[in-house]
Amino acid sequence: ELKVEQNPLFLSMQEGKNYTIYCNYSTTSDRLYWYRQDPGKSLESLFVLLSNGAVKQEGRLMASLDTKARLSTLHITAAVHDLSATYFCAVERSYTGANSKLTFGKGITLSVRP
Amino acid sequence: GAGVSQSPRYKVAKRGQDVALRCDPISGHVSLFWYQQALGQGPEFLTYFQNEAQLDKSGLPSDRFFAERPEGSVSTLKIQRTQQEDSAVYLCASSSRTGLHYSNQPQHFGDGTRLSIL
Repeated sequence: ELKVEQNPLFLSMQEGKNYTIYCNYSTTSDRLYWYRQDPGKSLESLFVLLSNGAVKQEGRLMASLDTKARLSTLHITAAVHDLSATYFCAVERSYTGANSKLTFGKGITLSVRP
Repeated sequence: GAGVSQSPRYKVAKRGQDVALRCDPISGHVSLFWYQQALGQGPEFLTYFQNEAQLDKSGLPSDRFFAERPEGSVSTLKIQRTQQEDSAVYLCASSSRTGLHYSNQPQHFGDGTRLSIL
């Protein structure tokens, strides 16, 4: 059974500082996704990581994937209040490139304080 | 609109009632997914359609849960004889991926239906 773990589950960040959050998973997978969710809102896609060594950056966020370690990291540069949200990683296993279900972690709630 | 649309946004029902939740995917998306998100948890997979075919229903928690997508577009998730543990947010997602090509397209989520069973 595929399991996805995120840590920490809650992180209080100080504005302007850098932080890294982690997602690890238990079995070989094809894709890893990062989503953002604001309270009462839906999930917004941030990154799709397809292969070992993949690195993607958008603004203050940078995601990377190490398939050998079964680990993805999300690095936050110079945190700002707008980044306060819950961040989910999700892993997909598929065999033909066809869609299959996403298995989500429990999410990491980030709170940025002045 | 251009996104995944779900209705109703909120639904309150008494225990034992049947409910139906609707999902209208992004136009042209052949793949459609339903997830259940309990408070403070990540979404959990319920079922998956490609066009009108239900290819995976392994996540449906009991035979009280039924999903359909008869014309390969709009989907309905039905819960019969609701119980309190069914209270959750039900999320629908759609994707343009249809299989074999190696695409970086994510699943696009709707705002969800918040179901409360009294």
